[in-house]
Amino acid sequence: AAGVIQSPRHLIKEKRETATLKCYPIPRHDTVYWYQQGPGQDPQFLISFYEKMQSDKGSIPDRFSAQQFSDYHSELNMSSLELGDSALYFCASSSGQGDYEQYFGPGTRLTVT
Amino acid sequence: GENVEQHPSTLSVQEGDSAVIKCTYSDSASNYFPWYKQELGKRPQLIIDIRSNVGEKKDQRIAVTLNKTAKHFSLHITETQPEDSAVYFCAEGGGSTLGRLYFGRGTQLTVWP
Repeated sequence: AAGVIQSPRHLIKEKRETATLKCYPIPRHDTVYWYQQGPGQDPQFLISFYEKMQSDKGSIPDRFSAQQFSDYHSELNMSSLELGDSALYFCASSSGQGDYEQYFGPGTRLTVT
Repeated sequence: GENVEQHPSTLSVQEGDSAVIKCTYSDSASNYFPWYKQELGKRPQLIIDIRSNVGEKKDQRIAVTLNKTAKHFSLHITETQPEDSAVYFCAEGGGSTLGRLYFGRGTQLTVWP
């Protein structure tokens, strides 16, 4: 079965640079969630989209923005990168706001130097 | 996680023994409780979940119990195998959280052969 796809899988950036992470949800899933996971920590919710509209917002810095496109893929844009932004970024998808089962992508490992 | 407490943080068992991980939550409106297994550097993998209208759910060697009155739920793994070694996260969602998941801090399970 098709799973959530994320690209790139690894990304190395310098401080103050920008990064764009992409997420392609499972086919027919219309809800996308973004989570950030630091080393040895639990995933922290950043933001979610349902039917191309932002549906919820968590602890996402103002330097970050995201959107969901007409084909339901989503992009997380990160600007003015800081060392503390180094983490695993996961995208998860579900089939609707009423269906809470979330399936995670393989993640993007972002390293800021 | 912000709203979820998970214990223990580490658990070592002998192959064939049972393992139990417990979580408590605070939002009485929460109605969805998934468990994820995460191997080092990989994605969280949904292994079982339970909704608030059910007290127990079982899938082969894995079972989850929910006590809504006491606001706690538990993961039970029987006949553990070395391949069960991983970090296990409980989470809670639904209710007032618009689909986002709040994760516990994780339990590092080690199964010794």
